[in-house]
Amino acid sequence: GQQLNQSPQSMFIQEGEDVSMNCTSSSIFNTWLWYKQEPGEGPVLLIALYKAGELTSNGRLTAQFGITRKDSFLNISASIPSDVGIYFCAGQKYAGNMLTFGGGTRLMVKP
Amino acid sequence: NAGVTQTPKFQVLKTGQSMTLQCAQDMNHEYMSWYRQDPGMGLRLIHYSVGAGITDQGEVPNGYNVSRSTTEDFPLRLLSAAPSQTSVYFCASSPRQGRANEKLFFGSGTQLSVL
Repeated sequence: GQQLNQSPQSMFIQEGEDVSMNCTSSSIFNTWLWYKQEPGEGPVLLIALYKAGELTSNGRLTAQFGITRKDSFLNISASIPSDVGIYFCAGQKYAGNMLTFGGGTRLMVKP
Repeated sequence: NAGVTQTPKFQVLKTGQSMTLQCAQDMNHEYMSWYRQDPGMGLRLIHYSVGAGITDQGEVPNGYNVSRSTTEDFPLRLLSAAPSQTSVYFCASSPRQGRANEKLFFGSGTQLSVL
């Protein structure tokens, strides 16, 4: 089935560094979402994007909806240890449709 | 606030055994769904429901059954467990169709091992 390609698969960074990850697809999505999953928990929605080119922030997190509607990007500035987790992108083709998830980016932050 | 509650947290089964994973939400959400999470594969939709009495298949429905007799509950049944069903299972709900549909609230997961 359709899957989103998420990269990198994992990152090990120093506290204070900025982080960038992306999600690409061969087909168009009209909604892009970013979730974070902490160990032993389910994913939690971080940011939702509804319009091509849209740039949305949530604290130190900024996500962008690619203008081609086939990709999305998530940046985390000045990382801290509690940023550790798996970050998932998800796309939705149209309202009410099921979500398609990427494989996740595992982020590890060294204090 | 309880949100989405899944039980059990962990389960070990032998091949061929059956069991039911429980999911309950107390937010009066219309939409409920089950996902499985496998390393590097993200989350894949098994079954979903848009309201009581209505269910439909997702991306990977084989080997699983669901029912939705009430708004609150959405159990997932494994009829004859297979090792390929070893995974972490998440139940998720959202308020309604449309733009709110993507605002999924996830349970904390059930880690299932089939030997």
